[in-house]
Amino acid sequence: GQQLNQSPQSMFIQEGEDVSMNCTSSSIFNTWLWYKQDPGEGPVLLIALYKAGELTSNGRLTAQFGITRKDSFLNISASIPSDVGIYFCAGQLSGGSQGNLIFGKGTKLSVKP
Amino acid sequence: NAGVTQTPKFQVLKTGQSMTLQCAQDMNHEYMSWYRQDPGMGLRLIHYSVGAGITDQGEVPNGYNVSRSTTEDFPLRLLSAAPSQTSVYFCASKPGLSTDTQYFGPGTRLTVL
Repeated sequence: GQQLNQSPQSMFIQEGEDVSMNCTSSSIFNTWLWYKQDPGEGPVLLIALYKAGELTSNGRLTAQFGITRKDSFLNISASIPSDVGIYFCAGQLSGGSQGNLIFGKGTKLSVKP
Repeated sequence: NAGVTQTPKFQVLKTGQSMTLQCAQDMNHEYMSWYRQDPGMGLRLIHYSVGAGITDQGEVPNGYNVSRSTTEDFPLRLLSAAPSQTSVYFCASKPGLSTDTQYFGPGTRLTVL
């Protein structure tokens, strides 16, 4: 089946630093999504992207839908301790069972105050 | 709205025991799904349903059964638990298969001894 390669697997950063993570796929997706999972909770949607080249922001978070439609990037500016968690990318094809979301393995973010 | 609810929050089973993980949503979503989350593996789809009376297998269906008798409920059954099923289980829902915004429950942490 399709796989998403998400990197890095983990990051240890200082409060105030910027963060970048990305996902790549061998498949072309129609939608890219970014989720955040706080410890002990379910994932929560951060940003949804629908068009190649699209750049969308949500507060300090900015995500981009790659031109090739096979990748996506998430940036977090001026990180704060509550940014700690696991960030997942997810891609969606269209039609039939391809409406199911395909998830990356996650990027675990740790922020040192 | 309560969103997506899951019970229990934690469960310990012995090998060979059976149990049902409960999931309910009050958003009138047609699509519901079950994922398992294992360290370093991300979220893997077990089973999904596109409406009452309709279920289908995901990426890792073996050892799990589901049914969808109502729009609101989507229970996951383990008929004979195995240690390999130790994991965190998430239920999720969205309006339809082709829609992207998916809402997750808080998860059930299952340990099989």
